Amino acid sequence: RKEVEQDPGPFNVPEGATVAFNCTYSNSASQSFFWYRQDCRKEPKLLMSVYSSGNEDGRFTAQLNRASQYISLLIRDSKLSDSATYLCVVNPASGGSYIPTFGRGTSLIVHP
Amino acid sequence: DGGITQSPKYLFRKEGQNVTLSCEQNLNHDAMYWYRQDPGQGLRLIYYSQIVNDFQKGDIAEGYSVSREKKESFPLTVTSAQKNPTAFYLCASSPEQGGSETQYFGPGTRLLVL
Repeated sequence: RKEVEQDPGPFNVPEGATVAFNCTYSNSASQSFFWYRQDCRKEPKLLMSVYSSGNEDGRFTAQLNRASQYISLLIRDSKLSDSATYLCVVNPASGGSYIPTFGRGTSLIVHP
Repeated sequence: DGGITQSPKYLFRKEGQNVTLSCEQNLNHDAMYWYRQDPGQGLRLIYYSQIVNDFQKGDIAEGYSVSREKKESFPLTVTSAQKNPTAFYLCASSPEQGGSETQYFGPGTRLLVL
């Protein structure tokens, strides 16, 4: 089983739609979680951290489910500019080497 | 402005040639990383360094070498032993060893084989 798994998509949605992505992780001791956005031929950029209590930033909501070992990203009122690949990142427990694990990304295409 | 810079943006390698990709950061971060990304694929870790004068192999280190002589610099050499070097190379840094800090990425270098 891969350490971090994401549905590669693409998710093809109309403007204004609500779309959700999930990301599952295998290491139950994982400590911190992030969503990154990567535009075509660009570097990944941090979208938001994922906290145990869930967190919201404008149209974006991230949630963590430790019992089922997954994190989610919900995008409301999708914009054309939301089209990108969304990478899930899981950090291991503290101590020892600190190597984040990246999912392969979920592609989102928002169309008019 | 603080950030991570990578150069060149595009790099062409001839058969049997070693090439070096530059990565510099002025964020005062301890940890630095090199990743490789192939089309439609995720990021794969090549090397990482958590402190000056120390670095560790990642998942795909064969055919690559690094150095960390200064805190702000972490150059990657793609050697002739790397038979399939065409990819997008990303350098990243994070504030400290261990912990739960996020990573910051440079703009990347695209390496193409002639």
